[in-house]
Amino acid sequence: EAGVAQSPRYKIIEKRQSVAFWCNPISGHATLYWYQQILGQGPKLLIQFQNNGVVDDSQLPKDRFSAERLKGVDSTLKIQPAKLEDSAVYLCASSLVGGSNTEAFFGQGTRLTVV
Amino acid sequence: AQSVTQLDSQVPVFEEAPVELRCNYSSSVSVYLFWYVQYPNQGLQLLLKYLSGSTLVKGINGFEAEFNKSQTSFHLRKPSVHISDTAEYFCAAGRRGYQKVTFGTGTKLQVIP
Repeated sequence: EAGVAQSPRYKIIEKRQSVAFWCNPISGHATLYWYQQILGQGPKLLIQFQNNGVVDDSQLPKDRFSAERLKGVDSTLKIQPAKLEDSAVYLCASSLVGGSNTEAFFGQGTRLTVV
Repeated sequence: AQSVTQLDSQVPVFEEAPVELRCNYSSSVSVYLFWYVQYPNQGLQLLLKYLSGSTLVKGINGFEAEFNKSQTSFHLRKPSVHISDTAEYFCAAGRRGYQKVTFGTGTKLQVIP
C-alpha cells in the first residue's frame, strides 16, 4: 500500500516569497491533515479536511496561509508571503475516517527554510 | 482541548538497558492516547494507542505503555532497547467528541552502544 506522498522534500526561499506544498494521501482516506513542526516542538495542526470540506482550521494563520483539497483527494498548502518564523517541517497526514481516536498516517514532510 | 507534557526532551540509554519515556496529559475524561515514533528524516509512525479497555497497551517493536487515570500518565516502556530505537518519540492525546489530536513536544531517545 502506497503511503502519504509529499513534495518537495526541501525548499529554501527568501522572506516575503511564496511557496506551495503538495500532498497525496493514502487512497480511500477521507481525512487529510496539515501539521507544522517547528524545530524542538511537536506537530501543530494547521488544517484538517474531511473529504473536501474543512473540519478545523483554527490554528491556520489565514492572512498568509491557505490550503485546498482538490476533489477530496490531493491537497496543497500555500504560504504567501513567507516569514522567517515559518521555517519548519510541514507534515501531511491522512486517516481513513476523522475523529481523535483514529490513527493518522504521515508523509515524510517538507522542510522549509526561510532566509 | 487536551494538553500533553513530555518532560524529558532527551533520554540517553545504553543498548540492552530498559527505558521509560514519560507522558502526562491534562484530562482523563474520555481520552484517547497515542505514541508515535519519528526516525530521522521520516514522518511519524504509530507505535501504539489506547482507546479504552485494558490499561496496558502493547505496540510494535517491543514497546508498551500503561494508561494511568489517577496520575494522568501514559508512559512508554521497553525492557531492552536496540540501536535501531534511536529516534524521537511523540505522545499525543485526543478526546471523544472532538476531532483534534494534540501532540507533546517529543523526547529524543539516544541509544548508546
